[in-house]
Amino acid sequence: SQQGEEDPQALSIQEGENATMNCSYKTSINNLQWYRQNSGRGLVHLILIRSNEREKHSGRLRVTLDTSKKSSSLLITASRAADTASYFCATGPWGSGSARQLTFGSGTQLTVLP
Amino acid sequence: DTAVSQTPKYLVTQMGNDKSIKCEQNLGHDTMYWYKQDSKKFLKIMFSYNNKELIINETVPNRFSPKSPDKAHLNLHINSLELGDSAVYFCASRHTGGSGNTIYFGEGSWLTVV
Repeated sequence: SQQGEEDPQALSIQEGENATMNCSYKTSINNLQWYRQNSGRGLVHLILIRSNEREKHSGRLRVTLDTSKKSSSLLITASRAADTASYFCATGPWGSGSARQLTFGSGTQLTVLP
Repeated sequence: DTAVSQTPKYLVTQMGNDKSIKCEQNLGHDTMYWYKQDSKKFLKIMFSYNNKELIINETVPNRFSPKSPDKAHLNLHINSLELGDSAVYFCASRHTGGSGNTIYFGEGSWLTVV
């Protein structure tokens, strides 16, 4: 079953504005990751936050994690047209050892207008 | 330098045909995956192999048969293709050692069954 669900499904903003996407999940996790998918391309890892962390930064990305609410947010500051993509949260890993896997949501489609 | 490469990128075929998608990774990873992304962008794991051994086999019709000749390759063969098989299929890989949780994706294979 689907573990992570992103919200909103679609987001359209002007270049220079901040974009915030949210992810909710259902069961306890070890870590939560965000991936980006440009149109017609594969998913690319952006950032990982562990369950004992509350906030993490990477360049213009800021991720928060609230394990009590089972939710995470991804903030992209000073957005650019090149940030236009689908953004997925992935939770896990589920299973042990080599059977570990991540479970993905259906993504937020971000459009940054020039 | 291609990390996870899969071929073909686009495939249009008729119902009932048999087709294969090939995947290779040059990252030295020991675990490889096949994911299916539907028209709503929901990404679902299909199979996982670790060192050529099948580890995860989600509820996938037995028309889908993965084959891993070595740990750098994981091919997907589909028999008797159906309209509902139309989707984007992503190969991915991961290193299971340490805290390796990041999954590296190929660029996807767009399968259209007509």
